[in-house]
Amino acid sequence: DIQMTQSPSSLSASVGDRVTITCRASHDISNSLAWYQQKPGKPPKLLLYAASRLASGVPSRFSASGSETDYTLTISSLQPEDCATYYCHHYYGTPHTFGQGTKLEIK
Amino acid sequence: EVQLVQSGAEVKKPGESLKISCKASGYTFTTYWIGWVRQMPGKGLEWMGIIYPADSDTKYSPSFQGQVTISADKSINTAYLHWSGLKASDTAIYYCARQDGSFDYWGQGTLVTVSS
Repeated sequence: DIQMTQSPSSLSASVGDRVTITCRASHDISNSLAWYQQKPGKPPKLLLYAASRLASGVPSRFSASGSETDYTLTISSLQPEDCATYYCHHYYGTPHTFGQGTKLEIK
Repeated sequence: EVQLVQSGAEVKKPGESLKISCKASGYTFTTYWIGWVRQMPGKGLEWMGIIYPADSDTKYSPSFQGQVTISADKSINTAYLHWSGLKASDTAIYYCARQDGSFDYWGQGTLVTVSS
């Protein structure tokens, strides 16, 4: 099974900061990677898929990149509403796996 | 509009059985996989398994194989997650989600509480 290692587990940043979250897969997942945002009491929301494609309606300050085993989510200019937990998810064959999550707080 | 509407919260005792549901609308139910994801209190997301409603092909995470049963009734556009004997450790929120590669649409979640 493919394991996903996400880091950091938490981070605190200021409004306007550039924020980066990373996920490393234990094997090449060929860009079969998605990123989700989850706010308390809500289901996860798809942000990006296929490693770098922005989901419909997602602000352009969110972007992602990567290949093979290493992937990155970037928020270019942090906004107060970005306070949430972020998860990566590989869907390269089954079983899928989620990363452990990154809790993002606003300073 | 794609919607996944899950059944309501449940409170059960250890050993009891339970089936929760996820009703899909706004798309052709038989052409997308549906997945189930567990979130234990204060914890992250765990992929449980997926089902293809057209033929009920099902794939489970090794962590959940034999612990739950995923099924679907394509006549009523509904997927299910079933336990035959609940444990306290099954206390969690369970989400269904449509898979189009990634999970693009999610249900609102069903809180299952197992307590004696």
